Amino acid sequence: EIVLTQSPGTLSLSPGERASLSCRASQRLDSHFLAWYQHKPGQAPRLLIYGASNRATGIPDRFSGSGSGADFTLTISRLEPEDFAVYYCQQYGVSPPLTFGGGTKVEI
Amino acid sequence: VQLVASGGAVVQPGGSLRLSCAASGFRFDDYAMHWVRQVPGKGLEWVSFITWNGGNIYYADSVEGRFSIFRDNTKNFTYLQMRSLRPEDSGFYYCAKAGGIAAADNWFDHWGQGTLVTVSS
Repeated sequence: EIVLTQSPGTLSLSPGERASLSCRASQRLDSHFLAWYQHKPGQAPRLLIYGASNRATGIPDRFSGSGSGADFTLTISRLEPEDFAVYYCQQYGVSPPLTFGGGTKVEI
Repeated sequence: VQLVASGGAVVQPGGSLRLSCAASGFRFDDYAMHWVRQVPGKGLEWVSFITWNGGNIYYADSVEGRFSIFRDNTKNFTYLQMRSLRPEDSGFYYCAKAGGIAAADNWFDHWGQGTLVTVSS
């Protein structure tokens, strides 16, 4: 099973600041099979990025994903008030198990 | 695209429950479907997925042998039959649609709203 480690656990920032979230895999991922989600209390998670760097439909361009191999980053260029949430990375591919990281909470 | 999950309830340890997920707005029989859960206050955990035609089915180790996933492509429904439930199975259960039609496209581009399962005596 591939273990994903997200850091930091909590990121305390202000609106307008830049956020950089890390996701490290216990082994190299095939073909950039990594996604990022935003999750707010009482809501379903929302896909932000797939394939490590492809923005999902309707996602603002202040969200960007980068990385390869076993190290990936989600960057939010300028935080808007609605961006304060928990963010998860997920690795996927043909062969389960699919796994999520433990999450990074972005708080004011 | 809309996914509506239902069937969550309070159930005693050792009991059973069936969750349902009604899908609309896309070609249901083109896509794999998944179940993901979240224990309140904790992270997301993938539970199970079924390929477009039911030909391949996978489970997390934590539910293998107790949960069964199946789908009805004539009705656009996915189901999760849960047996021998444990307190640690409590949480919100989300159905989710695979992001693409290729076998490896197992990111989740649409999610249902979640249905709450509570296993407690």
